[in-house]
Amino acid sequence: SQTIHQWPATLVQPVGSPLSLECTVEGTSNPNLYWYRQAAGRGLQLLFYSVGIGQISSEVPQNLSASRPQDRQFILSSKKLLLSDSGFYLCAWSVVQETQYFGPGTRLLVL
Amino acid sequence: GQSLEQPSEVTAVEGAIVQINCTYQTSGFYGLSWYQQHDGGAPTFLSYNGLDGLEETGRFSSFLSRSDSYGYLLLQELQMKDSASYFCAVRDRGSARQLTFGSGTQLTVLP
Repeated sequence: SQTIHQWPATLVQPVGSPLSLECTVEGTSNPNLYWYRQAAGRGLQLLFYSVGIGQISSEVPQNLSASRPQDRQFILSSKKLLLSDSGFYLCAWSVVQETQYFGPGTRLLVL
Repeated sequence: GQSLEQPSEVTAVEGAIVQINCTYQTSGFYGLSWYQQHDGGAPTFLSYNGLDGLEETGRFSSFLSRSDSYGYLLLQELQMKDSASYFCAVRDRGSARQLTFGSGTQLTVLP
């Protein structure tokens, strides 16, 4: 069966510090991978998606970046965090676009 | 681009039936999906409608009318554990590899 892992579960970082969130998927090959951000009580904002190794599409201009160094690994990064980067970050995978499977998420608080 | 509208909040009592509506505007529509998210958790896939009509999965059903750009999620025999946020999401030809999510409907089930 397929599983998706995200870490860390929670993170408190100062403004201006770097960020690296990791997502890995097991049990499937060549999945589509997604990074979303969710503000408290709000919907899901798609940040990045990837259809293969090294292929990244960005949906929202920001100080975040994503990389996919391996087929089942997706990394979200920032060189300098802003207060507005606080939120719930969710990684998801899919083979069929309508059905996305989400990881447990990372709660990021930037102070 | 795409836009989706769904009510922000719905309240119902245990055992009742509740309908959560979703209207959308897209170009080249593929289908409508529904996701459930409990507080603090990750979204989970509930259902998908690619064609007009009703899809039933246990206590949950989802309906789509492509001509009306409208769909709904129907929850029957409500249980306390159904209290959660429910998101509709669309995929269209302009963004075939992605889903665009609505802002979510917070369902509260009262005893």
